[in-house]
Amino acid sequence: GQNIDQPTEMTATEGAIVQINCTYQTSGFNGLFWYQQHAGEAPTFLSYNVLDGLEEKGRFSSFLSRSKGYSYLLLKELQMKDSASYLCAVVDSNYQLIWGAGTKLIIKP
Amino acid sequence: IAGITQAPTSQILAAGRRMTLRCTQDMRHNAMYWYRQDLGLGLRLIHYSNTAGTTGKGEVPDGYSVSRANTDDFPLTLASAVPSQTSVYFCASSLLADRNEQFFGPGTRLTVL
Repeated sequence: GQNIDQPTEMTATEGAIVQINCTYQTSGFNGLFWYQQHAGEAPTFLSYNVLDGLEEKGRFSSFLSRSKGYSYLLLKELQMKDSASYLCAVVDSNYQLIWGAGTKLIIKP
Repeated sequence: IAGITQAPTSQILAAGRRMTLRCTQDMRHNAMYWYRQDLGLGLRLIHYSNTAGTTGKGEVPDGYSVSRANTDDFPLTLASAVPSQTSVYFCASSLLADRNEQFFGPGTRLTVL
């Protein structure tokens, strides 16, 4: 079967750094997405990785290791507005997105 | 309109009733998708359409049907609603089926009693 694992919930302090991990087992791999979803809102795109390595975009970075079936999202200089759920999704061999259940990130002052 | 819209925003429905959730995009995207999102579970794909005139079944298609008569619209129909279909429904679109940055509509919160 196909499986995406992420921690259910994480807590971090404003101004700090947090790393949200995602491990996956899927039938094929054609890329990995991270989305942000604020409570009661739609998911919005954060990043896409298809090759191994780190992709940096402002305060957010995403890392991929295809051999380990592993990705992480790194958020720096945390702000209160970063409180949201972060969804990991893998593109499988049929080019369908397989979604993790999401990680709820709570930012404390 | 700009982007992707859904209607209604929310709905309470009696079990056994028929309901159509509407989705429209103006980005000229070829691919469109319907997901449901339940607490503690990831987004689950119900149906998809890679291009106008074609549709396919996702992970949880039972009890739902879709049509794609044109590029812009992708309605989702519940023929006879059941309480287990209580969920938040998201419509999404992407430029091409294999370039999967998906853009999401605001969602429809459906309660079936």
